[in-house]
Amino acid sequence: TQLLEQSPQFLSIQEGENLTVYCNSSSVFSSLQWYRQEPGEGPVLLVTVVTGGEVKKLKRLTFQFGDARKDSSLHITAAQPGDTGLYLCAGGIEAAGNKLTFGGGTRVLVKP
Amino acid sequence: KAGVTQTPRYLIKTRGQQVTLSCSPISGHRSVSWYQQTPGQGLQFLFEYFSETQRNKGNFPGRFSGRQFSNSRSEMNVSTLELGDSALYLCASSSTGWEQYFGPGTRLTVT
Repeated sequence: TQLLEQSPQFLSIQEGENLTVYCNSSSVFSSLQWYRQEPGEGPVLLVTVVTGGEVKKLKRLTFQFGDARKDSSLHITAAQPGDTGLYLCAGGIEAAGNKLTFGGGTRVLVKP
Repeated sequence: KAGVTQTPRYLIKTRGQQVTLSCSPISGHRSVSWYQQTPGQGLQFLFEYFSETQRNKGNFPGRFSGRQFSNSRSEMNVSTLELGDSALYLCASSSTGWEQYFGPGTRLTVT
């Protein structure tokens, strides 16, 4: 069983502050994704990382995949209220088919 | 392109009944996956269909079943509903298998 643990579970910050969310596992993943989910909606794909050590930037969001492909982080610079939501990481192992395992999620609240 | 659509959006059922949920994927996507999301267990994989065949299955009882039609539309069925089946059921389509494009979900309440 591949488990993905996210930390922290909940984060409340003021607008303009930075934040980092972590996603860790003992398994090696072929692919790891980050999603954001808002209340009443389905998760929206933010990024996919597949190469160990890979860093991707999406405006104020920076995603990093660990060298060993077992962990990942999401860093938001100068957070805005629009960044509020549930952030989910999800990993897949090619040998296990296209079955994604999701982390428990990090609920982020950015206060104006 | 239009996104993934799910119907109905909300559903209230009684214990012991059965329910069928519907999902229309993004045009051109042949993979459709279903997930159950609850506050306690988070987002859990139910099954994936590709070209009308179940390709992957999660750890759910046989009361949960699904199918995919030739136009890639998919349905999910839950028989003999239990209170614990109350959840948000999410459908996602994909062209690559990894990257999931989710619909808005069906909120099922079992009373």
